[in-house]
Amino acid sequence: EAQVTQNPRYLITVTGKKLTVTCSQNMNHEYMSWYRQDPGLGLRQIYYSMNVEVTDKGDVPEGYKVSRKEKRNFPLILESPSPNQTSLYFCASSLFYTGQGFYTFGSGTRLTVV
Amino acid sequence: TQLLEQSPQFLSIQEGENLTVYCNSSSVFSSLQWYRQEPGEGPVLLVTVVTGGEVKKLKRLTFQFGDARKDSSLHITAAQPGDTGLYLCAGVRESSGDKLTFGTGTRLAVRP
Repeated sequence: EAQVTQNPRYLITVTGKKLTVTCSQNMNHEYMSWYRQDPGLGLRQIYYSMNVEVTDKGDVPEGYKVSRKEKRNFPLILESPSPNQTSLYFCASSLFYTGQGFYTFGSGTRLTVV
Repeated sequence: TQLLEQSPQFLSIQEGENLTVYCNSSSVFSSLQWYRQEPGEGPVLLVTVVTGGEVKKLKRLTFQFGDARKDSSLHITAAQPGDTGLYLCAGVRESSGDKLTFGTGTRLAVRP
């Protein structure tokens, strides 16, 4: 089944403790992206990647890092999480680097930073 | 300021009623998409519209792209409880290349 898999689904952590949220897609998509979703603000892009070793900042990149060493994986790294990074995170992928592409989203990771 | 404003933010209706959700912007979009998101899941693409004035139908859902490609609407006929969810519009601005920007969302609840 074609899908985007995120792990974990739920995570509670403490301020400053480094964490990684994994994202993997099995559709050989070139384009991958991370979003955070907050009430009243919709989905905001954190980082995106057009292909292996090519990443760029989205609208809200502060406090986050990403890497794209393999086509299928696009982990999101929070080096020193803070409470304002408490949010619902989604990974998405698309066949091409184009907003007109068919975006497939993961099921989300709900992160709480205390 | 949000690039894509959706209205209403919240909508609670009775099964069988009709409703319209709006997605507005001052920018021109080369394409616009609508997604539905159910609790605990990621958004799922419903439709993409690319031509000004374009109308697409998906069963009881009708999507329209404004003539000037600055706005879109989603009309649901005879809503059912299964339509409950968060509806998101997302567009690619002509001036921003390929970046997809999401709207603020409309949360719909359909009561049996």
